[in-house]
Amino acid sequence: EVQLVESGGGLVQPGGSLRLSCAASGFTVSSNYMNWVRQAPGKGLEWVSLIYSGGGTYYADSVKGRFTISRDNSKNTLYLQMNSLTTEDTAVYYCASSFDIWGQGTMVTVSS
Amino acid sequence: DFVMTQTPLSLSVTPGQPASISCKSSQSLLHSDGKTYLYWYLQKPGQPPQLLIYEVSNRFSGVPDRFSGSGSGTDFTLKISRVEAEDVGDYYCMQSIQFPVTFGQGTRLEI
Repeated sequence: EVQLVESGGGLVQPGGSLRLSCAASGFTVSSNYMNWVRQAPGKGLEWVSLIYSGGGTYYADSVKGRFTISRDNSKNTLYLQMNSLTTEDTAVYYCASSFDIWGQGTMVTVSS
Repeated sequence: DFVMTQTPLSLSVTPGQPASISCKSSQSLLHSDGKTYLYWYLQKPGQPPQLLIYEVSNRFSGVPDRFSGSGSGTDFTLKISRVEAEDVGDYYCMQSIQFPVTFGQGTRLEI
């Protein structure tokens, strides 16, 4: 069964850092392009970042320079390193494979 | 950026009746490879988004055939032929022809 399971969310103070993980099963993360998409409480969907199978990466302007997407092929896991967090980054973060399979999401709350 | 505009923003439908959601893009979603990168998602309450339609009109695996997508260029439509109670939730269109990937504001379907 194809599955994505996110982890690593939690409460962090403004200016802090957090690393999200997305463990894949049933397929290899390196064979597809992988995404992070977020949803602030009560709001719509916002694309955050993408990594191609070849390693190329893209970011939304709102996170460029602060977030880094990466993957570990040996662990079949996607990551999102988030630095310099602000209250605007509070959201449920979903990983998605090629925009068809999505994980259940992990909540990130940035608050003092 | 490609701006995706959905209408209506909310929809109340009687079970068994049809429903239709429009999505308009600020620029054409037709790629030089011949594909049109327009997707439709349903997010049921408390759940992640689930893919319904990809590349305008292709139903994803397991999606009931009461869901259909159509359109071209900048104008697209998602139709539900006969709404069922399980179709309640927020519907989003999305474009991936160019970065940043962008979503419509969402359309809430209620029964």
